Amino acid sequence: DTGVSQDPRHKITKRGQNVTFRCDPISEHNRLYWYRQTLGQGPEFLTYFQNEAQLEKSRLLSDRFSAERPKGSFSTLEIQRTEQGDSAMYLCASSLEFEKLFFGSGTQLSVL
Amino acid sequence: KQEVTQIPAALSVPEGENLVLNCSFTDSAIYNLQWFRQDPGKGLTSLLLIQSSQREQTSGRLNASLDKSSGRSTLYIAASQPGDSATYLCAVGGQGGSEKLVFGKGTKLTVNP
Repeated sequence: DTGVSQDPRHKITKRGQNVTFRCDPISEHNRLYWYRQTLGQGPEFLTYFQNEAQLEKSRLLSDRFSAERPKGSFSTLEIQRTEQGDSAMYLCASSLEFEKLFFGSGTQLSVL
Repeated sequence: KQEVTQIPAALSVPEGENLVLNCSFTDSAIYNLQWFRQDPGKGLTSLLLIQSSQREQTSGRLNASLDKSSGRSTLYIAASQPGDSATYLCAVGGQGGSEKLVFGKGTKLTVNP
């Protein structure tokens, strides 16, 4: 069990650029989640997958955001045409169904 | 819409003190409740998971209780240590069968040597 890995740890981009983040979950976990956290706030749910199927998406996930989990293993979160309001920590987590969530260290995005 | 509130927002205690962190939620139709710890600039570490059918869970110096009917949970930390300094987050999950966790804003704990 190597834990949940996220890459990159930090990303600085200019407004209007596209960015992609990667998450590698714990191998036996069939659930994978994306959350977003801003300073002083708790994480907010974005979306989750069971295996390769995306089962729920938050209203926060505008059409500029897309997440995939091909083959039910790693996942990517892409943000197109980034805006300054997208600056946040993007957290990935994995779990077995209705069990404890294990979070990665997150990707800190700064949009200039 | 589920809302989770944590009180206090910040807490500073001397080393060795026992302390209680509070969490309240507006909709009692939850599947489970989790307490997490977050160190600055880091991800979250799950401390305790309480299923809706359970009243409490214990791990070492930590004890979490759940009262679904009143919409409350407490995290008790015994004999606090400086290494316990972190932000503690409460999250409720499984409302309406959803896997989505709804988090509070956290309580920032400082344990002074």
